[in-house]
Amino acid sequence: QQQVKQSPQSLIVQKGGISIINCAYENTAFDYFPWYQQFPGKGPALLIAIRPDVSEKKEGRFTISFNKSAKQFSLHIMDSQPGDSATYFCAARSGGYNKLIFGAGTRLAVHP
Amino acid sequence: GAVVSQHPSWVICKSGTSVKIECRSLDFQATTMFWYRQFPKQSLMLMATSNEGSKATYEQGVEKDKFLINHASLTLSTLTVTSAHPEDSSFYICSARNPPDTQYFGPGTRLTVL
Repeated sequence: QQQVKQSPQSLIVQKGGISIINCAYENTAFDYFPWYQQFPGKGPALLIAIRPDVSEKKEGRFTISFNKSAKQFSLHIMDSQPGDSATYFCAARSGGYNKLIFGAGTRLAVHP
Repeated sequence: GAVVSQHPSWVICKSGTSVKIECRSLDFQATTMFWYRQFPKQSLMLMATSNEGSKATYEQGVEKDKFLINHASLTLSTLTVTSAHPEDSSFYICSARNPPDTQYFGPGTRLTVL
C-alpha cells in the first residue's frame, strides 16, 4: 500500500513531441505528489508538485494531471527537447510521516 | 529553488575505515533532513529521517550502528558510514524539507570502498 508504481520504465520521444509518464498509488493518505528530474551523477531536482485538491498544474512545459478517484497522476512534458533527456521520478508523501515514497523512475531520451 | 549542498562530492576509502558525509541547507532552516542511497539505474531508497535535536529514525533493514546520523543544527546533518566495506559503495543523497511540503535534494556523494 506504500508503493508508487511508475511507467513506462523507459521512453523515447522525438524532439518537439509530448512525453507522458504515469504513476499510480494505493494509499489514500498520500497528500503531496512531486516530480523530480535527475541527470546522471546528480541529485534529483524538483520539477513540479501537486496536492490532491487540484486536478492539474502547469509550469512552463511541464504539466501534472491528477485523478484522485483513479489514484493516478501523470507528468506531461510538452515540446520535449534533447536537454530533457534524464530520469524522472514521481513520488508521494504521507503527511503524517513527511517522507517521500518514490516510483521506480523513467529514463527519458529525446532524440533530435 | 532552495539550495542543499553535500560534501564531499566523491570519496574513496579503504575497507574498514569510516567516512563522514555532510549535508547543509544553505538558504533555509531544515528541521527535517533525509538520507537516501541510490544504486546505478535504480530509484532512491530512503535510509533514515533526521530531525534536528533528536535521534534519527531508520528505515527497516538499515543498520543504525553502521550508518550514524547526526542533525546537530537546523542547517547541518551528517551521515557517517562506519567500518565501510565494498558493499557500502553507492551514491548517497541527502534532502532537506522546506516546510510545509518541499524536499530539496543535495548533489549526492559517490562513495567507493576499496
